[in-house]
Amino acid sequence: AQKVTQAQTEISVVEKEDVTLDCVYETRDTTYYLFWYKQPPSGELVFLIRRNSFDEQNEISGRYSWNFQKSTSSFNFTITASQVVDSAVYFCALSVIQGAQKLVFGQGTRLTINP
Amino acid sequence: ETGVTQTPRHLVMGMTNKKSLKCEQHLGHNAMYWYKQSAKKPLELMFVYNFKEQTENNSVPSRFSPECPNSSHLFLHLHTLQPEDSALYLCASSQENEFANTGELFFGEGSRLTVL
Repeated sequence: AQKVTQAQTEISVVEKEDVTLDCVYETRDTTYYLFWYKQPPSGELVFLIRRNSFDEQNEISGRYSWNFQKSTSSFNFTITASQVVDSAVYFCALSVIQGAQKLVFGQGTRLTINP
Repeated sequence: ETGVTQTPRHLVMGMTNKKSLKCEQHLGHNAMYWYKQSAKKPLELMFVYNFKEQTENNSVPSRFSPECPNSSHLFLHLHTLQPEDSALYLCASSQENEFANTGELFFGEGSRLTVL
Protein backbone atom coordinates (compact mmCIF):
# COMPACT_ATOMS: atom_id res chain seq x y z
CA ALA A 1 0.00 0.00 0.00
CA GLN A 2 1.09 3.56 -0.64
CA LYS A 3 1.11 6.35 1.87
CA VAL A 4 2.05 10.02 1.73
CA THR A 5 2.75 12.08 4.84
CA GLN A 6 2.84 15.84 5.03
CA ALA A 7 3.68 16.50 8.63
CA GLN A 8 3.23 20.27 8.40
CA THR A 9 -0.47 21.05 8.66
CA GLU A 10 -0.09 24.83 8.44
CA ILE A 11 2.79 27.17 7.73
CA SER A 12 2.71 30.95 7.95
CA VAL A 13 5.57 33.15 6.77
CA VAL A 14 6.11 36.75 5.83
CA GLU A 15 6.38 37.67 2.17
CA LYS A 16 9.81 37.23 0.60
CA GLU A 17 10.83 34.51 3.02
CA ASP A 18 11.82 31.10 1.68
CA VAL A 19 9.64 28.21 2.77
CA THR A 20 10.00 24.42 2.42
CA LEU A 21 7.08 22.02 2.42
CA ASP A 22 7.96 18.49 3.48
CA CYS A 23 6.68 15.27 1.93
CA VAL A 24 7.55 11.72 2.93
CA TYR A 25 6.16 8.73 1.07
CA GLU A 26 5.92 4.96 1.44
CA THR A 27 5.58 2.44 -1.34
CA ARG A 28 6.78 -1.06 -2.16
CA ASP A 29 6.66 -0.35 -5.86
CA THR A 30 9.96 0.34 -7.56
CA THR A 31 8.41 2.50 -10.27
CA TYR A 32 6.18 5.35 -9.30
CA TYR A 33 5.43 9.02 -9.81
CA LEU A 34 5.52 11.77 -7.22
CA PHE A 35 3.53 14.97 -7.60
CA TRP A 36 2.87 18.32 -6.07
CA TYR A 37 -0.50 20.01 -6.55
CA LYS A 38 -1.60 23.47 -5.43
CA GLN A 39 -5.17 24.17 -4.29
CA PRO A 40 -5.97 27.89 -4.27
CA PRO A 41 -9.14 29.20 -2.55
CA SER A 42 -11.12 28.63 -5.78
CA GLY A 43 -10.92 24.90 -5.12
CA GLU A 44 -9.39 23.21 -8.15
CA LEU A 45 -6.11 21.38 -7.72
CA VAL A 46 -3.45 22.69 -10.04
CA PHE A 47 -0.66 20.40 -11.17
CA LEU A 48 2.82 21.73 -10.34
CA ILE A 49 5.25 18.91 -11.01
CA ARG A 50 5.59 15.19 -11.68
CA ARG A 51 8.75 13.29 -10.87
CA ASN A 52 9.51 9.75 -12.07
CA SER A 53 11.09 7.44 -9.50
CA PHE A 54 14.01 6.80 -11.85
CA ASP A 55 14.93 10.45 -11.96
CA GLU A 56 16.41 11.85 -8.78
CA GLN A 57 17.58 15.07 -10.29
CA ASN A 58 16.37 18.11 -8.45
CA GLU A 59 14.29 20.54 -10.43
CA ILE A 60 13.94 24.29 -10.41
CA SER A 61 11.17 26.26 -12.06
CA GLY A 62 11.34 29.96 -11.34
CA ARG A 63 10.87 30.44 -7.60
CA TYR A 64 9.89 26.79 -7.14
CA SER A 65 12.32 23.95 -6.56
CA TRP A 66 11.92 20.31 -5.67
CA ASN A 67 14.32 18.00 -3.83
CA PHE A 68 13.73 14.29 -4.46
CA GLN A 69 15.73 11.91 -2.25
CA LYS A 70 14.98 8.24 -2.63
CA SER A 71 17.25 7.33 0.29
CA THR A 72 14.95 9.15 2.68
CA SER A 73 11.73 8.69 0.64
CA SER A 74 11.23 12.41 0.57
CA PHE A 75 10.08 14.86 -2.08
CA ASN A 76 10.29 18.34 -0.58
CA PHE A 77 9.10 21.55 -2.20
CA THR A 78 10.75 24.92 -1.66
CA ILE A 79 9.35 28.32 -2.59
CA THR A 80 11.98 31.02 -2.74
CA ALA A 81 11.09 34.66 -2.10
CA SER A 82 7.48 33.78 -1.32
CA GLN A 83 4.62 35.97 -2.48
CA VAL A 84 1.08 36.47 -1.22
CA VAL A 85 -0.24 34.69 -4.33
CA ASP A 86 1.55 31.54 -3.17
CA SER A 87 -0.97 31.23 -0.33
CA ALA A 88 -2.83 27.95 -0.89
CA VAL A 89 -3.04 24.36 0.27
CA TYR A 90 -0.29 22.23 -1.24
CA PHE A 91 -0.65 18.50 -1.71
CA CYS A 92 2.03 15.92 -2.29
CA ALA A 93 0.86 12.74 -4.04
CA LEU A 94 2.10 9.35 -5.18
CA SER A 95 0.99 7.12 -8.03
CA VAL A 96 2.25 3.81 -9.34
CA ILE A 97 3.15 3.85 -13.01
CA GLN A 98 1.54 0.60 -13.99
CA GLY A 99 -2.01 -0.37 -13.29
CA ALA A 100 -5.09 1.65 -12.50
CA GLN A 101 -4.47 5.35 -12.13
CA LYS A 102 -4.72 6.12 -8.43
CA LEU A 103 -3.20 9.15 -6.81
CA VAL A 104 -2.64 8.80 -3.09
CA PHE A 105 -2.54 12.24 -1.52
CA GLY A 106 -1.01 13.56 1.65
CA GLN A 107 -3.19 15.58 3.98
CA GLY A 108 -1.96 18.84 2.56
CA THR A 109 -0.10 21.81 3.99
CA ARG A 110 -1.90 25.14 4.25
CA LEU A 111 0.59 27.85 3.39
CA THR A 112 -0.18 31.45 4.29
CA ILE A 113 2.06 34.22 3.04
CA ASN A 114 1.54 37.42 4.97
CA PRO A 115 2.31 40.81 3.41
CA GLU B 1 -11.42 28.75 -16.61
CA THR B 2 -10.30 25.13 -16.25
CA GLY B 3 -10.72 22.33 -18.79
CA VAL B 4 -12.88 20.46 -16.27
CA THR B 5 -16.13 22.09 -15.20
CA GLN B 6 -18.32 20.99 -12.33
CA THR B 7 -21.89 21.94 -11.51
CA PRO B 8 -23.32 22.94 -9.19
CA ARG B 9 -20.53 24.66 -7.29
CA HIS B 10 -22.57 24.59 -4.10
CA LEU B 11 -25.36 22.26 -3.07
CA VAL B 12 -27.36 22.01 0.14
CA MET B 13 -29.61 19.01 0.51
CA GLY B 14 -31.59 17.18 3.13
CA MET B 15 -30.97 13.56 3.98
CA THR B 16 -34.02 12.40 2.02
CA ASN B 17 -33.28 14.36 -1.15
CA LYS B 18 -31.96 13.01 -4.44
CA LYS B 19 -29.52 15.20 -6.33
CA SER B 20 -26.73 14.84 -8.86
CA LEU B 21 -23.33 16.38 -9.37
CA LYS B 22 -22.15 16.89 -12.92
CA CYS B 23 -18.67 17.01 -14.39
CA GLU B 24 -17.65 17.77 -17.95
CA GLN B 25 -14.15 17.73 -19.36
CA HIS B 26 -13.15 19.58 -22.52
CA LEU B 27 -9.66 18.10 -22.81
CA GLY B 28 -10.33 14.99 -24.88
CA HIS B 29 -9.22 12.73 -22.04
CA ASN B 30 -10.26 9.09 -21.71
CA ALA B 31 -10.33 8.71 -17.92
CA MET B 32 -12.40 10.52 -15.28
CA TYR B 33 -12.42 10.42 -11.50
CA TRP B 34 -14.41 11.44 -8.45
CA TYR B 35 -12.50 12.47 -5.33
CA LYS B 36 -13.90 13.44 -1.94
CA GLN B 37 -12.20 16.13 0.14
CA SER B 38 -13.32 16.31 3.76
CA ALA B 39 -11.95 18.55 6.46
CA LYS B 40 -8.87 17.10 8.15
CA LYS B 41 -8.71 14.07 5.83
CA PRO B 42 -6.63 13.40 2.72
CA LEU B 43 -8.33 13.46 -0.63
CA GLU B 44 -10.06 10.14 -1.10
CA LEU B 45 -10.46 8.50 -4.47
CA MET B 46 -14.06 7.36 -4.93
CA PHE B 47 -14.47 6.18 -8.51
CA VAL B 48 -12.40 5.83 -11.65
CA TYR B 49 -13.75 5.50 -15.18
CA ASN B 50 -11.39 4.48 -17.94
CA PHE B 51 -12.77 4.51 -21.49
CA LYS B 52 -16.24 4.86 -19.90
CA GLU B 53 -15.84 1.64 -17.91
CA GLN B 54 -15.72 1.83 -14.15
CA THR B 55 -12.35 0.43 -13.12
CA GLU B 56 -12.30 1.45 -9.50
CA ASN B 57 -14.86 1.67 -6.73
CA ASN B 58 -13.00 2.51 -3.59
CA SER B 59 -15.47 0.95 -1.13
CA VAL B 60 -17.88 3.82 -1.56
CA PRO B 61 -21.33 3.49 0.06
CA SER B 62 -24.17 2.73 -2.35
CA ARG B 63 -25.83 6.06 -1.59
CA PHE B 64 -23.26 7.44 -4.05
CA SER B 65 -23.91 6.22 -7.58
CA PRO B 66 -21.63 7.24 -10.46
CA GLU B 67 -22.60 7.41 -14.10
CA CYS B 68 -20.33 7.94 -17.09
CA PRO B 69 -22.42 8.16 -20.30
CA ASN B 70 -19.42 9.10 -22.45
CA SER B 71 -15.77 9.98 -22.02
CA SER B 72 -16.54 13.68 -21.54
CA HIS B 73 -19.23 13.51 -18.87
CA LEU B 74 -19.34 12.09 -15.38
CA PHE B 75 -22.16 12.25 -12.86
CA LEU B 76 -22.41 11.46 -9.19
CA HIS B 77 -25.97 10.67 -8.14
CA LEU B 78 -26.71 11.26 -4.48
CA HIS B 79 -29.53 9.84 -2.39
CA THR B 80 -30.28 9.46 1.31
CA LEU B 81 -26.98 11.03 2.27
CA GLN B 82 -25.73 11.55 5.80
CA PRO B 83 -24.37 14.76 7.36
CA GLU B 84 -20.89 13.22 7.38
CA ASP B 85 -21.04 13.15 3.58
CA SER B 86 -20.72 16.92 3.57
CA ALA B 87 -17.50 17.64 1.70
CA LEU B 88 -15.95 19.07 -1.44
CA TYR B 89 -16.38 16.64 -4.31
CA LEU B 90 -13.71 17.01 -6.96
CA CYS B 91 -13.85 15.68 -10.47
CA ALA B 92 -10.68 15.06 -12.46
CA SER B 93 -9.69 13.75 -15.86
CA SER B 94 -6.54 12.37 -17.46
CA GLN B 95 -5.28 10.78 -20.64
CA GLU B 96 -4.21 7.21 -20.04
CA ASN B 97 -2.92 4.36 -22.17
CA GLU B 98 -2.61 0.64 -21.60
CA PHE B 99 1.15 0.72 -21.03
CA ALA B 100 1.62 3.34 -18.38
CA ASN B 101 -0.16 6.15 -16.63
CA THR B 102 0.70 9.72 -17.48
CA GLY B 103 0.16 10.46 -13.84
CA GLU B 104 -1.19 13.95 -14.31
CA LEU B 105 -4.76 14.72 -13.33
CA PHE B 106 -6.70 17.84 -14.31
CA PHE B 107 -9.17 18.88 -11.65
CA GLY B 108 -12.37 20.86 -11.65
CA GLU B 109 -13.12 23.45 -8.98
CA GLY B 110 -15.31 21.07 -7.05
CA SER B 111 -18.87 20.92 -5.80
CA ARG B 112 -19.27 21.91 -2.16
CA LEU B 113 -21.97 19.64 -0.70
CA THR B 114 -23.70 20.29 2.61
CA VAL B 115 -26.07 17.65 3.95
CA LEU B 116 -28.49 18.87 6.60
